[in-house]
Amino acid sequence: EAQVTQNPRYLITVTGKKLTVTCSQNMNHEYMSWYRQDPGLGLRQIYYSMNVEVTDKGDVPEGYKVSRKEKRNFPLILESPSPNQTSLYFCASSPTLPSVRETQYFGPGTRLLVL
Amino acid sequence: DAKTTQPTSMDCAEGRAANLPCNHSTISGNEYVYWYRQIHSQGPQYIIHGLKNNETNEMASLIITEDRKSSTLILPHATLRDTAVYYCIVRVARTSGTYKYIFGTGTRLKVLA
Repeated sequence: EAQVTQNPRYLITVTGKKLTVTCSQNMNHEYMSWYRQDPGLGLRQIYYSMNVEVTDKGDVPEGYKVSRKEKRNFPLILESPSPNQTSLYFCASSPTLPSVRETQYFGPGTRLLVL
Repeated sequence: DAKTTQPTSMDCAEGRAANLPCNHSTISGNEYVYWYRQIHSQGPQYIIHGLKNNETNEMASLIITEDRKSSTLILPHATLRDTAVYYCIVRVARTSGTYKYIFGTGTRLKVLA
C-alpha cells in the first residue's frame, strides 16, 4: 500500500531533550516536506527536500533540522525542544516537481507535547 | 503570497450538495487552487485542484470564477463521512523551482443525518 508513515504518533518530552520524528514513504517520491499544524494557523511548512541531500527552509524552520540521506526517509530533528514547539506535525511527499499534476500525500501526523 | 479566506464552519444535510466557498482575491495568474480535507486530526487528503477551468473528479467539482478571485468546492451528494475540515489552498512557486502550499484556516463542514 502506498503510504507515508511517521513515528512516533504521540510524544511527550521535556524542554531541551533532543528528539527525532521519523518519516518514510514507499512511493519513490523525490519531494518531501514537514508541516506543523496549530489552532487558528492552519498548516505551515517547516522544511522541504527536493531530492536526496537537497533540503531547504520552509516558512517556520527555527528550532528544527532535517536530513535526507535516503530517498524514502526524511527525519525531523528537534535539537533542543521548547514548549512553543508543541504541535501536530505532518510529513508529506509528492512525485517529481515541477508538475501541474503533483499532489501531496500526507502522513498520519505526530502529536508532540513539550513540557 | 496569495491568501485564502473561508467560512469557519458550515452544515449540510446528508444527500444534499455541499458548496464550500473560498476567496483568493490576490491570486496570481499561474497559481493553482487546491482543495484538501482533514478528517479529525488525520493527515490532509487531496480532493481536487484547478487553474482556470472548472474541474470534476470522482470526489468533487471545483468551480473557479472567471476572474479567479474565488472558487467553490462542490460535494454533490454529501455523506456523513464527508464531515471534515476543508482547506482551500493556493500553490505558489518558489524561486528554487519548487512549490509552496499556502493553507487557509479551513471550513469545518458538518454533514447532518
